[in-house]
Amino acid sequence: AQSVAQPEDQVNVAEGNPLTVKCTYSVSGNPYLFWYVQYPNRGLQFLLKYITGDNLVKGSYGFEAEFNKSQTSFHLKKPSALVSDSALYFCAVRGNTPLVFGKGTRLSVIA
Amino acid sequence: DAMVIQNPRYQVTQFGKPVTLSCSQTLNHNVMYWYQQKSSQAPKLLFHYYDKDFNNEADTPDNFQSRRPNTSFCFLDIRSPGLGDAAMYLCATSRNRDYNEQFFGPGTRLTVL
Repeated sequence: AQSVAQPEDQVNVAEGNPLTVKCTYSVSGNPYLFWYVQYPNRGLQFLLKYITGDNLVKGSYGFEAEFNKSQTSFHLKKPSALVSDSALYFCAVRGNTPLVFGKGTRLSVIA
Repeated sequence: DAMVIQNPRYQVTQFGKPVTLSCSQTLNHNVMYWYQQKSSQAPKLLFHYYDKDFNNEADTPDNFQSRRPNTSFCFLDIRSPGLGDAAMYLCATSRNRDYNEQFFGPGTRLTVL
C-alpha cells in the first residue's frame, strides 16, 4: 500500500527566506508525486508533480520540488517566501490506487 | 474558464435527514472523485467514477452513495447523516486515473445539527 509522511505539522519562516516543506513516501513501483496547496475554506490547488525525468520539478507560484529516489523524498521548496504563501500544503502519491494524501503541513510566513 | 463547481457551498441538515451535494465540471474529464475532509486533516477518498464505472473505497460507509448521470455532473448522497459526518466535502476531477493531476472544487461544508 502507498503512503505519504509529512513530518512537520507546522513550518514557520520569515518573509524573504527560503522555505522547505518535507515529504517522504512509500509506494510499490514508480511513484507519481504531487503537491497541493489549500487556503482557508477552499479546495486544493495543484502546485506541481513528478512523473519521470528531471528530479527537480518547477511548479506554480515559484515553487519547486526535488525528487530523491534513494531517500524516497519529495520536498517542496521556494527560494524566497511570501506572506501570501501561508497556507496548508499537502503532499500526495499515486501508486496502484488513486491519490493518497499526507496529513498536511501548515506553512506560516511571517512579515 | 473551465472549472469544478460545487453546490451549495454551505449545507446545514438535521441528524438523520438525507442530504445531497452536487458537483459539476466544465473540463470534460473522465474521472470524478469525492473526498471527505475534517478539520484541516488530509482529504479522505470516498469513491470515484471513471466514466460510468463506480469505484468505492473499502472503508467508505454504506451511508454514503454517489450518482453520475452524465460526464458533467456527480452527486454525493448521505442517506442518514450523523454528527460525525460533519465535514468539508471536496469534489475533484482528472482527465484519467494515472498521473494526471486532480482539479478540485471549492468544497461544500456540511453541518449536522
